Amino acid sequence: SQKIEQNSEALNIQEGKTATLTCNYTNYSPAYLQWYRQDPGRGPVFLLLIRENEKEKRKERLKVTFDTTLKQSLFHITASQPADSATYLCASTNSGGYQKVTFGTGTKLQVIP
Amino acid sequence: DTGVSQDPRHKITKRGQNVTFRCDPISEHNRLYWYRQTLGQGPEFLTYFQNEAQLEKSRLLSDRFSAERPKGSFSTLEIQRTEQGDSAMYLCASSLGRGKQETQYFGPGTRLLVL
Repeated sequence: SQKIEQNSEALNIQEGKTATLTCNYTNYSPAYLQWYRQDPGRGPVFLLLIRENEKEKRKERLKVTFDTTLKQSLFHITASQPADSATYLCASTNSGGYQKVTFGTGTKLQVIP
Repeated sequence: DTGVSQDPRHKITKRGQNVTFRCDPISEHNRLYWYRQTLGQGPEFLTYFQNEAQLEKSRLLSDRFSAERPKGSFSTLEIQRTEQGDSAMYLCASSLGRGKQETQYFGPGTRLLVL
């Protein structure tokens, strides 16, 4: 069955360092991968989308890569700040007529001052 | 605040009771989605509307669950004869509905606790 997996263990990093989160998918080839941020008690907030034919996408301090050989996406936050502390969700979408999103379990990031 | 609102934000009910949640999407958005999220998990797709038409339902949506979007604006999600396993956060999202890949804007969710 199709699976999208993230490291369920929390990631703790020092302020100013680069945080790298991993998303792996198995048994399918998503057309798109997305990354969302979710704060406690709130709905997810869309951050970035990358297409299967794109290697890398950037937005301010965020960078996402999509490696179809490794079946993996990496999400980087450079110069991390305590305000970046949240759960980050990886999600895949199909290439059909609407956007059915399949989410991973999320990785909790804690940026330590 | 994304512009998607959900009501109520919290609901505590006893097993066997019926509950109804409401979602008001961003006004010009044609597509509306319901998801369920349990602790430590990502949101799981439940159902999708294009305007007032319900175009897909997940197998997670048992026949105790029903969703409507009568005029293509707000939507309701009803759970009949609630069970403890229904305890979760119920999230609504909306998108514009003009393209294949669109940003989904999520509401704050309704947290349901079934005792």
